[in-house]
Amino acid sequence: GDSVTQMEGPVTLSEEAFLTINCTYTATGYPSLFWYVQYPGEGLQLLLKATKADDKGSNKGFEATYRKETTSFHLEKGSVQVSDSAVYFCGGTSYGKLTFGQGTILTVHP
Amino acid sequence: SQTIHQWPATLVQPVGSPLSLECTVEGTSNPNLYWYRQAAGRGLQLLFYSVGIGQISSEVPQNLSASRPQDRQFILSSKKLLLSDSGFYLCAWSVNGRNTIYFGEGSWLTVV
Repeated sequence: GDSVTQMEGPVTLSEEAFLTINCTYTATGYPSLFWYVQYPGEGLQLLLKATKADDKGSNKGFEATYRKETTSFHLEKGSVQVSDSAVYFCGGTSYGKLTFGQGTILTVHP
Repeated sequence: SQTIHQWPATLVQPVGSPLSLECTVEGTSNPNLYWYRQAAGRGLQLLFYSVGIGQISSEVPQNLSASRPQDRQFILSSKKLLLSDSGFYLCAWSVNGRNTIYFGEGSWLTVV
């Protein structure tokens, strides 16, 4: 079946540091790929998405590119802020079902 | 615009008691509906999904059940809760045929 593997955390960074959270997927066919963010005590919010190979999703300074050759969708941000502290989930959909990775806890210190 | 609501937001239930979490979606028709669980310190697990009234698919065997009595209503239930049922439950929806899924606010369940 489909599966998503993302970098285990927790990740701790200083403000303005560069962020990368790795995500790879295994699927039959070509899934759409997503990053969701969960702020403390809240539900999940869609952060960005890409629906086909070489698509780049971007939002709030975050970016991820759908790499078919490496089956990856790594999340990046050039300069993180304290307000980016949250749990980040990579996910892929196939036939309407969204499969998530385990989540990566990000903590950004001032 | 479309909105999704689930309730209650928080509940504490004794072992062996029943459970009912309710979710409704507004502003769309015939959505796909989902229940996910996030156990403490773990990722998200798809529990149930539904593509129409009365059509429920279960992803994992468990102590829970789901029902869809109306087009935009999705209910998660249990007859007798276990300690292991504790977690954060998320309802979600998507447009039928589209891949983007949108989540509700979540419900924290603590079984004591």
